Amino acid sequence: ETGVTQTPRHLVMGMTNKKSLKCEQHLGHNAMYWYKQSAKKPLELMFVYSLEERVENNSVPSRFSPECPNSSHLFLHLHTLQPEDSALYLCASSQEKVFHGYTFGSGTRLTVV
Amino acid sequence: LAKTTQPISMDSYEGQEVNITCSHNNIATNDYITWYQQFPSQGPRFIIQGYKTKVTNEVASLFIPADRKSSTLSLPRVSLSDTAVYYCLVHGSSNTGKLIFGQGTTLQVKP
Repeated sequence: ETGVTQTPRHLVMGMTNKKSLKCEQHLGHNAMYWYKQSAKKPLELMFVYSLEERVENNSVPSRFSPECPNSSHLFLHLHTLQPEDSALYLCASSQEKVFHGYTFGSGTRLTVV
Repeated sequence: LAKTTQPISMDSYEGQEVNITCSHNNIATNDYITWYQQFPSQGPRFIIQGYKTKVTNEVASLFIPADRKSSTLSLPRVSLSDTAVYYCLVHGSSNTGKLIFGQGTTLQVKP
């Protein structure tokens, strides 16, 4: 356990479904992130939240909608996804201003059918 | 952000020392160097971080020359379980959301 918990670990969804990925951190960090990792590709930074406010959105399609209700929880709401959105979605957290690295969760393996 | 360049892949045998070098010619004065390890279907895991000279922990050593334009991650006596992707990142000391991952180095440890 890294202190960052992601659920579910695996998810299969149809293109018309709506689902949400959840991330919870127990490290007292104040910044949280969503990354996407497609097969054989580097991690792609999707969203950044600092002190519960979104500070970065790296041109992510609107079918991905993040939510950060408090500093410990981060969600990624999914709707009308495409098969090419199938990937490993990773959540991470860090302490802003006193940066000692990111702590990642184990990820959610998403398959869109 | 300083761009990093590292070998795409490396092979080694159990018990050997493995050195992975990363080039970061445009590193800024305030930038740190951090290495992560990633196993398949898991999130990256922090290995080691340094600013200059040498840093050592229970897992690895990090060597940084005086000009800081490169760094070398050293893994002593690797085992099969060290087979993973290793990422070299250069980043500021307090930049939120500025960890940009490259392709990394895929290390294959053979028996």
